[in-house]
Amino acid sequence: ILNVEQSPQSLHVQEGDSTNFTCSFPSSNFYALHWYRWETAKSPEALFVMTLNGDEKKKGRISATLNTKEGYSYLYIKGSQPEDSATYLCAFRSSDYKLSFGAGTTVTVRA
Amino acid sequence: EAQVTQNPRYLITVTGKKLTVTCSQNMNHEYMSWYRQDPGLGLRQIYYSMNVEVTDKGDVPEGYKVSRKEKRNFPLILESPSPNQTSLYFCASSLRGGGAYTDTQYFGPGTRLTVL
Repeated sequence: ILNVEQSPQSLHVQEGDSTNFTCSFPSSNFYALHWYRWETAKSPEALFVMTLNGDEKKKGRISATLNTKEGYSYLYIKGSQPEDSATYLCAFRSSDYKLSFGAGTTVTVRA
Repeated sequence: EAQVTQNPRYLITVTGKKLTVTCSQNMNHEYMSWYRQDPGLGLRQIYYSMNVEVTDKGDVPEGYKVSRKEKRNFPLILESPSPNQTSLYFCASSLRGGGAYTDTQYFGPGTRLTVL
């Protein structure tokens, strides 16, 4: 199992504030990095797939960046809303097709 | 509606009683996979299937079996469940099989299994 770490494990943010958190993964044998959003009692849903160093992806108020050379990706939430409350999972895809998930960052947005 | 379905959603059973969790997708996806989710750990892959009649072990296959006789179905079988298999299980599928490194996976709703 490849070492994929997410930090922090959880965070609380006030409605309207922005926040960000990290996914760290091996810097060798990189092929792709996935971000998923997992709301309580629902299935994880795909947010982004990133493949190139320097990639930036955006979906509404959520964006992500990728640094494959140093092995990390940041997820940003701008102007957090209560509906952003969820666990955000990253998954590292290595070049031998192995997929390893991080344990997730649980975001709670307080109104 | 494109979806991955799992049944049952919740199951409480006893040690040693064989059980099957079904997974079905209606998107004609080649790739299917089973994961388990335990507190503090990431999703860990149990088994995956690149296509019909092609299955392979993931990271934590011990105590589980799978089959892929049809493209749409990928059941997970626990021949003799034990308490350490108490977990939240997810089935997932994606469009392509081998080489599909960037394909997004679509997840089922999860099955919460408790083995007493």
